[in-house]
This record gives sequence, C-alpha cells and structure tokens, in this order.
Amino acid sequence: KAGVTQTPRYLIKTRGQQVTLSCSPISGHRSVSWYQQTPGQGLQFLFEYFSETQRNKGNFPGRFSGRQFSNSRSEMNVSTLELGDSALYLCASRFGGGAPTDTQYFGPGTRLTVL
Amino acid sequence: GQQVMQIPQYQHVQEGEDFTTYCNSSTTLSNIQWYKQRPGGHPVFLIQLVKSGEVKKQKRLTFQFGEAKKNSSLHITATQTTDVGTYFCAGLPQAGTALIFGKGTTLSVSS
Repeated sequence: KAGVTQTPRYLIKTRGQQVTLSCSPISGHRSVSWYQQTPGQGLQFLFEYFSETQRNKGNFPGRFSGRQFSNSRSEMNVSTLELGDSALYLCASRFGGGAPTDTQYFGPGTRLTVL
Repeated sequence: GQQVMQIPQYQHVQEGEDFTTYCNSSTTLSNIQWYKQRPGGHPVFLIQLVKSGEVKKQKRLTFQFGEAKKNSSLHITATQTTDVGTYFCAGLPQAGTALIFGKGTTLSVSS
C-alpha cells in the first residue's frame, strides 16, 4: 500500500499571502488529521476530518481551515500568513471513525517558510 | 488546559547504555501512543497502550502505562546508533476526541 502523501514538500511564501497544502491518505483510510510541528511548540493538533466532515478542531485561529473530499483527500488552507506560521505541517491518516484508538500514519510533511 | 509533559527534552548516551523517557498527563488517559521521528523524517507509530499497568515489549524497547493511566514510559536497553531520533508520547484524554502530544525527547547516541 502506498503511504500518506503530501504536496508540496517545500513552500516559501511571504507575509499576508495564503497557502493551500494537500494530503492524500492511505487507500481505505477515511480520517485525516493535520498537525503543525515547530521546535518550540512541538506537535500541535489542527483539525481532523472524517467522511468530509470536520470532527475535531484544535486551538488555532480561523485563518487555518481545511476540507476533505469524497475520495478522502484533504486540503488545509492558511490565509494571511504570519512569520509564526513557518512550520512543518504534517497530515496523518487512519482507518477508523470515533476517538483515535487506532494507528495513525503520518505523511512526510510540508515545510512552510514564511518570509 | 490538558497537557502531556515529557522529560527529559534531550538525552545523550553512549552506545550500549540504556535510555528512558517519561510522559506525564494532567488528566486521566484512555490510551497512550508512542511515536519515533528520525531526524528529517516524520513520526512513525511504535505502539499503543490501553490498560492500566500495561507493559509491552518490542525487542529492546519496553513501554509501560501507569496504574492511574496518567503516566507512561519508554525504556530502551543497550541503545544503538539506529535508535537516534525524537520519541513522542501522545495521550487521548478520557472523553477526549484528539490526541495530545508531548514535546518529545530527542535521543542522540555516540559510538
């Protein structure tokens, strides 16, 4: 089985711009979660989508949004980029619904740099 | 808010020495998962613990879940250079719906 794929792998943007990141989960997985990873804050949960519905949301401002398509692929969007948004954005897929008690498989991440 | 604290933040050992990282939650957990992230890589799932007092082993790695389901540990026996990376714990609070990650312990090993 192919793993979780994320595109693009690297991205450089300037403050005020917006960005869209894409994640394709493992075939058959219906849940996609997004995380932001920074050296200072570690791995922080952004949101989770299951069957095209946002099921969970972390403590991030409304500039961070996402969606999921009928084929389970997911996108996240960050509008009005700030320097502090520079981070590695990871998506993780898993098979199940409900609380995360099954294995999460992480993608390689998108490294976003905001100048 | 709910937090998962992980210590130490960094640990350097000589190859062959043992290593332990500890995870403490501010709230009771339904389960705890452990991940390893190699330098430049992404987190890879290692194991999940669910039962109070549970102990699981994977070769040289031993994982424990505390009796109160608020703490956990990962112990590596006789470290090897291939063990280098950052080890994260992630806890699911009871009645919670999202994992809370600790900040990780970065292990370096010199030969």
